Amino acid sequence: TQLLEQSPQFLSIQEGENLTVYCNSSSVFSSLQWYRQEPGEGPVLLVTVVTGGEVKKLKRLTFQFGDARKDSSLHITAAQTGDTGLYLCAGEDRGSTLGRLYFGRGTQLTVWP
Amino acid sequence: NAGVTQTPKFQVLKTGQSMTLQCAQDMNHEYMSWYRQDPGMGLRLIHYSVGAGITDQGEVPNGYNVSRSTTEDFPLRLLSAAPSQTSVYFCASRRRLAARSDTQYFGPGTRLTVL
Repeated sequence: TQLLEQSPQFLSIQEGENLTVYCNSSSVFSSLQWYRQEPGEGPVLLVTVVTGGEVKKLKRLTFQFGDARKDSSLHITAAQTGDTGLYLCAGEDRGSTLGRLYFGRGTQLTVWP
Repeated sequence: NAGVTQTPKFQVLKTGQSMTLQCAQDMNHEYMSWYRQDPGMGLRLIHYSVGAGITDQGEVPNGYNVSRSTTEDFPLRLLSAAPSQTSVYFCASRRRLAARSDTQYFGPGTRLTVL
């Protein structure tokens, strides 16, 4: 059973288009992180959101944490070819196993010129 | 700072062989962990450590051992390799477990194939 469901699993778009990736769960998380991973490399942290309803912006990327802290979204405006990569969300659960991160299966984004 | 380093980058084993994947960090981080990444499965936690001498099991610990004798090093041992352990293994570290805002850094990964 996957604790965090990411959708879509694959996304292929043209440069300049907008897109949204979703990360949903029935569990409450103390924080949620978004990572980006390039082929042959480890994931790199993009952002951590910790407060319900929080919105963070990183240039053309907007991250939102749901009010109930069960879901999150990543919105990219005017996608560029350099945005291509695997996007992973990870929820931190402090209620049971301290500090454990649960990862979604990822969204593979391909941006075409 | 080198960050999180992992060796080897690639490894091929035969079923039943044992080996140790090395992980080191030079950031004086308390928290270190091992994940495996399989196609379509995301990253799954194998073992983690909150400090030297303290380790605990994650989601998929069977077939793996860890120890943490120093703050810097966190090796992962495969006791008797099985084809199901074919995967990409990532080591990660984080300054403090308690701080939600601390960044978790991942190593470049070890791609393991078990024949």
